[in-house]
Amino acid sequence: EVQLLESGGDLVQPGGSLRLSCVASGFSFSRNAMNWVRQAPGKGLEWVSGINAGGGNTFYADSVKGRFTISRDNSKNILYLQMNSLRDEDTAIYYCAKEGRPQTFDSWGQGVLVTVSS
Amino acid sequence: SYVLTQPPSVSVAPGKTARITCGGNNIRTKSVHWYQQKPGQAPVLVIYYDSDRPSGIPERFSGSNSENTATLTLSWVEAGDEADYYCQVWDSSSDHPVVFGGGTKLTVL
Repeated sequence: EVQLLESGGDLVQPGGSLRLSCVASGFSFSRNAMNWVRQAPGKGLEWVSGINAGGGNTFYADSVKGRFTISRDNSKNILYLQMNSLRDEDTAIYYCAKEGRPQTFDSWGQGVLVTVSS
Repeated sequence: SYVLTQPPSVSVAPGKTARITCGGNNIRTKSVHWYQQKPGQAPVLVIYYDSDRPSGIPERFSGSNSENTATLTLSWVEAGDEADYYCQVWDSSSDHPVVFGGGTKLTVL
């Protein structure tokens, strides 16, 4: 059974930093692209960032480019999201999502809450 | 960047058919995927590549894609289908390729 377990969410002040982790199990982590998707309170889904299976190619939404960094450790089956220069509008539940068939997210974690507020 | 447009809400009586649309410029040239999200839960993939169903998704869920509109169809709607539904495509021409629609709240009357 595929399991994705996010952690690292917290309350942080504007301008602060946070690192999210997603521990994966139940599948060959090193063979799948992975993504982060967020959802602000009461709002829709917003794709944040993606990384290919090997970790060599990364992609970012314009809203986070230059502030967030996605990475992965295939030896530990962990996906990361380093978030710097956090803003109020980054407040959201952040989901880790596995890319199964190309372009589709076939498994999601339960999500972790990031709150940016002074 | 590519934009997907969904109606904010759709209402349907139990046992009837609900259709949720996803509009995009020439969307027929893209593969459309659909997710169901119930309150307090993570999204679940219900349709991929326009009309394929993952294992465990009831046959009542179907999808189509034509011209500028993709459609998720829920037949014989049940109370448990009440949820938010999101369409998603991959825009290969962009360096931020994943696009979600704004979501549609399906209400079962």
